[in-house]
Amino acid sequence: QVQLVQSGAEVKKPGSSVKVSCTASGGAFSSYAIIWVRQAPGQGLQWMGGIIPMFATPVYAQEFQGRVTITTDESTSTAYMELSSLTSNDTAVYYCGRDKVWGATTRLDYWGQGTLVTVSS
Amino acid sequence: DIQMTQSPSYLSASVGDRVNITCQANQYISNYLNWYQQKPGKAPKLLISDASNLETGVPSRFSGSGSGTDFTFTISSLQPEDIATYYCQQYDNVQFTFGPGTKVDIK
Repeated sequence: QVQLVQSGAEVKKPGSSVKVSCTASGGAFSSYAIIWVRQAPGQGLQWMGGIIPMFATPVYAQEFQGRVTITTDESTSTAYMELSSLTSNDTAVYYCGRDKVWGATTRLDYWGQGTLVTVSS
Repeated sequence: DIQMTQSPSYLSASVGDRVNITCQANQYISNYLNWYQQKPGKAPKLLISDASNLETGVPSRFSGSGSGTDFTFTISSLQPEDIATYYCQQYDNVQFTFGPGTKVDIK
């Protein structure tokens, strides 16, 4: 059974960066897409980007280009999402998810528990 | 960029009612469309993939249809545990877009 465990809640100052981790267990890591989605309070889901570890080339949503970096560490089966130049608009729950189809980036079959990032001065 | 619209944004129905949610893409996406259920405080759950494939373990009262630009998600007999927000999601060339969501409530 695949499980995704995310790092804990963060409180950040405007202008700073945050790095959220997502550790996978229960299955192969390298061949399956890890996707990052966020949800602002009371709002819908927003795709941020994703990566298939074995290809190591992330894809980012245009609205986050230049501010988001998605990386992986295959030795620990962990994916990271770093978001810089934070503003209050970045206050949200950040989710990682994984596709169960080998080598594909089509959907999120498995989800982490979410990480609340609060940006406040 | 592919944009998704959903309607209605909110619906209230009685237990046992048939509920339909529509999702429309602003360009052709074949059947590259998934549906998720999200309950308050929880991560979303994938219910239907590729427009009409019911995921393992998902009750058969949930179904999906459509292709191209117009899609429909149906709950054939609404149950109290179906209170949630439902999102469509398209995938095209590794880019994802979610619809704005439909909140479903019991009357």
